[in-house]
Amino acid sequence: QVQLVESGGGVVQPGRSLRLSCAASGFTFSSNTLHWVRQTPGKGLEWVALISYDGNNKYYADSVKGRFTISRDNSKNTLYLQMNSLRAEDTAVYYCARGRYCSGGICYFIGGFDYWGQGTLVTVSS
Amino acid sequence: QSALTQPASVSGSPGQSITISCTGTSSDVGGYNYVSWYQQHPGKAPKLMIYDVSNRPSGVSNRFSGSTSGNTASLTISGLQAEDEADYYCSSYTGSSTLVFGGGTKLTVL
Repeated sequence: QVQLVESGGGVVQPGRSLRLSCAASGFTFSSNTLHWVRQTPGKGLEWVALISYDGNNKYYADSVKGRFTISRDNSKNTLYLQMNSLRAEDTAVYYCARGRYCSGGICYFIGGFDYWGQGTLVTVSS
Repeated sequence: QSALTQPASVSGSPGQSITISCTGTSSDVGGYNYVSWYQQHPGKAPKLMIYDVSNRPSGVSNRFSGSTSGNTASLTISGLQAEDEADYYCSSYTGSSTLVFGGGTKLTVL
């Protein structure tokens, strides 16, 4: 069965960095678009970033552009999110989520996110 | 990109039908048929219930249906059951290679 397991969350001071990982299993990892979505405690969901099946295309929310970098290692079935210059407003539970296969264009956003991990909590505080 | 607008809460009795709205603009909900709906129980990850406006993933009950009219998408749950009590979120492609979610709606089954 499809599984996505996030790790790497924790407490970090403002301005510091953190890298999240998402280990995948149960499907052909190299075929799917992958996304990071975050949820502020007690509040709603916010899309953070996506990466294409081959890692060649990446898109980011304006709130994290220039600070966060999404990447993947298809040989390790693992998705990453490098978070730099962290701010208090980045405090959230971070989920990785599976999208559909897409070779380019708006199809990255077609089909919804059919599997999600359990999330990892990132707390930015001094 | 502003969040899509959802009612903060809706409620209904078992067996009834309820509808949750999700209002955006012609640049997102009204411009593309790429609206999805997610169900989230407390402490759990979101679950995909509807994708591309009106399509149900395998395993999702046919009591859940989706539609759009203009800049507003809707999720309808018929034959309300106790286990439907959860938070519901809509999402839409924005036309600028990004995705936006709604603020979420808490469904209470009375």
